[in-house]
Amino acid sequence: EVQLVESGGGLEQPGRSLRLSCVASGFTFDDYAMHWVRQVSGKGLEWVSGITWNSAGRAYADSVKGRFTISRDNAKKSLYLQMNGLRAEDTALYYCVKDTRGYTYFNMDVWGKGTTVTVS
Amino acid sequence: QSALTQPPSVSGSPGQSVTISCTGSSSDVGGYDRVSWFQQPPGTAPRLIIFEVNSRPSWVPYRFSGSKSGNTASLTISGLQAEDEADYYCSSYTTRNTLVFGGGTKLTVL
Repeated sequence: EVQLVESGGGLEQPGRSLRLSCVASGFTFDDYAMHWVRQVSGKGLEWVSGITWNSAGRAYADSVKGRFTISRDNAKKSLYLQMNGLRAEDTALYYCVKDTRGYTYFNMDVWGKGTTVTVS
Repeated sequence: QSALTQPPSVSGSPGQSVTISCTGSSSDVGGYDRVSWFQQPPGTAPRLIIFEVNSRPSWVPYRFSGSKSGNTASLTISGLQAEDEADYYCSSYTTRNTLVFGGGTKLTVL
């Protein structure tokens, strides 16, 4: 079964840092680009960041550029999001999402259940 | 990057058809055939139902179809069923190599 499991969310103060993790199973992780997408409770979806299969390409939403860093470890089948300089507006459920191509094609076919980040 | 524009809500009776629009610009929807649609029932993660404007993953029924004209994409659900009640989001690739989502549409099956 194809699966993505996020962890690392929690309650943190403004200005502090958190590191989210996502472990993949059921597919060849290093064949695909990966993304983080967030959703404020009761609100819509916001793409946060994406990374190519080999980490050569990374992209960020303007709202997190310069504060968040996406990375991956293909040997561990893991995706990460280092979140620095947290703000109240970063409070959301963060989803780990698989792309259908090795580069950031933005066709997102598998979603995790998410991990909740609260900044307060 | 501004969010794509979707109607906040639509409704229909079982068996009817509904269409949800998604309006962007030439920098996103109008410029690329990389529009996707996601279904999100309450309390669950989003699920891909349409990609590349009008392609369906194998797990999605034929009742779901997508199209695009200019800067506006559309999702049509035919033969509405109670289980279709959910929030629906469109997304599009952009000229800045980013992704933009629509604000979401709540579908109510009457």
